[in-house]
Amino acid sequence: KAGVTQTPRYLIKTRGQQVTLSCSPISGHRSVSWYQQTPGQGLQFLFEYFSETQRNKGNFPGRFSGRQFSNSRSEMNVSTLELGDSALYLCASRYEGRSPLHFGNGTRLTVT
Amino acid sequence: AQKVTQAQTEISVVEKEDVTLDCVYETRDTTYYLFWYKQPPSGELVFLIRRNSFDEQNEISGRYSWNFQKSTSSFNFTITASQVVDSAVYFCALSEFSSNSGYALNFGKGTSLLVTP
Repeated sequence: KAGVTQTPRYLIKTRGQQVTLSCSPISGHRSVSWYQQTPGQGLQFLFEYFSETQRNKGNFPGRFSGRQFSNSRSEMNVSTLELGDSALYLCASRYEGRSPLHFGNGTRLTVT
Repeated sequence: AQKVTQAQTEISVVEKEDVTLDCVYETRDTTYYLFWYKQPPSGELVFLIRRNSFDEQNEISGRYSWNFQKSTSSFNFTITASQVVDSAVYFCALSEFSSNSGYALNFGKGTSLLVTP
């Protein structure tokens, strides 16, 4: 089975711009979660989508949003980028709520 | 408040040594899950183990073993006869139900393990 695929691997954006990251989950997994990893804050939960609906949300501002498509693929969008948004963004999928999360390689976003 | 504490920031061992990574968690729930993940330099978090709060049995998988003790709220991870390929950052995580975040994982800060030849 193919793992979780995230594109692109690297992104460089300027403050004020917006960015969209993409994630394809493991086949058969309907739940997709997003996490942000920074040296200072560590790994933090952004949100989780299940069957095209946002099911859960972490403590992030509204500039961070996402969506899930009918094929379970997910996108994450960050608007009005700030320097502090520079991070590794990890997508993960799982079969159901309490199953282990399986992560992709991440997208490294640099905001200049 | 930090729910998962990994007190060891960095550990360096020589190949073939045994090494234990500590994890202490905090929860008021009676039902919860604990996880260990490995993050090599490539960035992907690799799932190693999940343990639920009702199962305190220790587990061994090859050179890896886990010791879960509810009495001390600890879920420690031991690598026996470490190898250079074990070099990575290891994360312990707690999953407990929350109305906002569901069963999202609450990660510790990670322990960076370096195994030298």
